[in-house]
Amino acid sequence: EDQVTQSPEALRLQEGESSSLNCSYTVSGLRGLFWYRQDPGKGPEFLFTLYSAGEEKEKERLKATLTKKESFLHITAPKPEDSATYLCAVTSPNAGGTSYGKLTFGQGTILTVHP
Amino acid sequence: DTAVSQTPKYLVTQMGNDKSIKCEQNLGHDTMYWYKQDSKKFLKIMFSYNNKELIINETVPNRFSPKSPDKAHLNLHINSLELGDSAVYFCASSRGRDEQYFGPGTRLTVT
Repeated sequence: EDQVTQSPEALRLQEGESSSLNCSYTVSGLRGLFWYRQDPGKGPEFLFTLYSAGEEKEKERLKATLTKKESFLHITAPKPEDSATYLCAVTSPNAGGTSYGKLTFGQGTILTVHP
Repeated sequence: DTAVSQTPKYLVTQMGNDKSIKCEQNLGHDTMYWYKQDSKKFLKIMFSYNNKELIINETVPNRFSPKSPDKAHLNLHINSLELGDSAVYFCASSRGRDEQYFGPGTRLTVT
């Protein structure tokens, strides 16, 4: 069964203090790894999809990278508006048939950026 | 221009009642999902429908019954509500197995 573990559970940063969030995964083959952002009281907002080791994607202050065992979400010079819970999820090639499209989520990292 | 919408946003009801949550997407996606997010914020899939056909049916009590009248709608009906059903329920949609887009959630409180 696919498993996703995110660390740390919570991260507090000062504005401008760069850092990284980790997502470790165990799957029987990776079809895709997804990063989402979730603000309090709202649904998860899609950020990135990564498909193969070595792939990188960027959006504003966020950069996601992928290896065969884990993914990192790097946050450069964060601002208070980057405060949110960041969720990582995976889907495997075996997630076809009766598991079509199944995403397995980690527990999330709560990021707080202080001004 | 909401992509994935859910109604109601809040639902407070008593144990034993039956309730429904509705979901609609205007993205033209062919696959829709229901997720449950518990008090620890852990998101877990419950059901998925692809082209109106039930695909995923995780270990969910049979008191929960999804219904998809067409590709743009996926409703969730819950019978005989229990205290443990209190959670936030999210609808999502995708094109095939591409990234999923989530609705705003329905916070269900069973008293």
